[in-house]
Amino acid sequence: AQTVTQSQPEMSVQEAETVTLSCTYDTSENNYYLFWYKQPPSRQMILVIRQEAYKQQNATENRFSVNFQKAAKSFSLKISDSQLGDTAMYFCAFMKSTGFQKLVFGTGTRLLVSP
Amino acid sequence: GAVVSQHPSWVICKSGTSVKIECRSLDFQATTMFWYRQFPKQSLMLMATSNEGSKATYEQGVEKDKFLINHASLTLSTLTVTSAHPEDSSFYICSASWFRRGGLNEQFFGPGTRLTVL
Repeated sequence: AQTVTQSQPEMSVQEAETVTLSCTYDTSENNYYLFWYKQPPSRQMILVIRQEAYKQQNATENRFSVNFQKAAKSFSLKISDSQLGDTAMYFCAFMKSTGFQKLVFGTGTRLLVSP
Repeated sequence: GAVVSQHPSWVICKSGTSVKIECRSLDFQATTMFWYRQFPKQSLMLMATSNEGSKATYEQGVEKDKFLINHASLTLSTLTVTSAHPEDSSFYICSASWFRRGGLNEQFFGPGTRLTVL
């Protein structure tokens, strides 16, 4: 079974600063997908970024980038130029690339961006 | 594209009554829909997976007689909480995906339904 661990329950950052959220996972699969989801106070789940395990290049989406270390089973999210609207819960998630594809979520990191 | 809606967005009911929550894919045909439960300040817990036209698959520990799931069409799945009790109060989220052979079956999430059982 796959597990996803987010060791930072809460993080704080000031506006315009950079913050990194940590995520580690455990799997015996070789091919899989990793995701970061944002859940703002509205509680709507929003996909921030995804990474395919067979791609060595780290995914980026504007101010959001990941540091994917496959051997270490680590998948951190870097948010640059933090904005007040980035305040939210952030969930790291894993999905196998074959067979029954279900999302396995971490426990989440609450990020607070302050002025 | 890939919009998923849920109805109602919030519901309050009396203990012992049943409540139905709808999940609709608005602009795509969802071969699979997922139902999650989320307690305050916690992560999403997968309750069950439903494929159109077949019985739902429940995760371990989820009472299938308590949480009835129907996926009668490619755009609609329903979750019925039967004989609801205060401990069933929670935030219920659905997601939907379509099958892509050999590719990512990305899930698109609904906005959630807050259920309060008095």
